[in-house]
Amino acid sequence: QKEVEQNSGPLSVPEGAIASLNCTYSDRGSQSFFWYRQYSGKSPELIMFIYSNGDKEDGRFTAQLNKASQYVSLLIRDSQPSDSATYLCAVDNQGGKLIFGQGTELSVKP
Amino acid sequence: GAVVSQHPSWVICKSGTSVKIECRSLDFQATTMFWYRQFPKQSLMLMATSNEGSKATYEQGVEKDKFLINHASLTLSTLTVTSAHPEDSSFYICSADRQGNGYTFGSGTRLTVV
Repeated sequence: QKEVEQNSGPLSVPEGAIASLNCTYSDRGSQSFFWYRQYSGKSPELIMFIYSNGDKEDGRFTAQLNKASQYVSLLIRDSQPSDSATYLCAVDNQGGKLIFGQGTELSVKP
Repeated sequence: GAVVSQHPSWVICKSGTSVKIECRSLDFQATTMFWYRQFPKQSLMLMATSNEGSKATYEQGVEKDKFLINHASLTLSTLTVTSAHPEDSSFYICSADRQGNGYTFGSGTRLTVV
């Protein structure tokens, strides 16, 4: 059974702080990794994706991938109250068939 | 760019009736689309993969005769929930491949069967 694990949270951080979201996956052959943000009652929005070991930065967001440890993380710098949402980690093992983690609920307090 | 439109956004139907949900890629062609289902407080679960011009492939445990998928063109996939029952009430979301730029999700359809 291929699994993607996330801490469900809630993770609470003060406005302006760095939020760190973590995800582990079980299938060592996984190639592509995605972070989505989902507001309550809405569909997921793609934040970023990462294929290679190391860091990938896009604005306030940084994804980090460590395939040896089967670990992917998302850092949100200068967190804003509007970042409060559920963050979903997804792993693509078979050309688009995404396996999602349970999601981490993030709350950014003003 | 890379917008996926889903319609309707919400629907209420009576038990035993059928409901059709449309998923359109507005500014790109999608040979493959995916259908997910999300129950309250749970994550997304893949139901099926929709391939343009061929039969859909279903994940284990998903009834293909109940969830009919048609992908007749490069921009449109439909999911029909046949003989819907209250336990089918869920948030149904499609996604499409952005050709190397991740997967974009539609806005979702909230189905309530009464």
